[in-house]
Amino acid sequence: EVQLVESGGGLVQPGGSLRLSCAASGFTVSGSYMSWLRQAPGKGLEWVSFIYNNGTTCYTDSVKGRFTVSRDNSKNTLFLQMNSLRAEDTAVYYCATNRGYAFDQWGQGTLVTVSS
Amino acid sequence: QTVVTQEPSFSVSPGGTVTLTCGFNSGSVSTSYYPSWYQQTPGQAPRTLIYSTNTRSSGVPDRFSGSILGNKAALTITGAQADDESDYYCVLYMGRGIWVFGGGTKLTVL
Repeated sequence: EVQLVESGGGLVQPGGSLRLSCAASGFTVSGSYMSWLRQAPGKGLEWVSFIYNNGTTCYTDSVKGRFTVSRDNSKNTLFLQMNSLRAEDTAVYYCATNRGYAFDQWGQGTLVTVSS
Repeated sequence: QTVVTQEPSFSVSPGGTVTLTCGFNSGSVSTSYYPSWYQQTPGQAPRTLIYSTNTRSSGVPDRFSGSILGNKAALTITGAQADDESDYYCVLYMGRGIWVFGGGTKLTVL
């Protein structure tokens, strides 16, 4: 059974950094396409970043240069390093597996709050 | 800027049929955008319903179906049930590892 568990969220000041983790089980992160998505309070879903199985990464324009997606194959874990955080980055962050050109299995999410 | 459009809200009677749509400000939605649909209830993670236009995800009942209607992607719920009351999101694949979500439709069953 595929399971995704996000962690690492919390309260951070504007300009600060956080690293989110997504621990996977039931499949190997290294061989998979995976994404990070987010949902601001009371708002809709937004795709944030994508990593191909070959390690190539893609980002939505608003986070380019600030966020970096990576993975640790030995830990079977996906990461999202978030730097220069802004108030508008406040959201629940989800990791998800990709199936074809869609999102398949989702984690339960972790809340990031950017505020002074 | 790419904008994906959905009805903000919709209502359906129990047992009724409703079709939610997913449009695109740059033209027509086609299968080449691999439209997919997600259901979300408050406080919960999204659930994948439909991918690649019309393929149901594992465990999704067949009263949920996806299609292209005219120039939009569509999600049809046949025989709506009370627990179908949720937010529904579509997303289009723009190529080069980029996706754009619609704003979501809040479906009320009453």
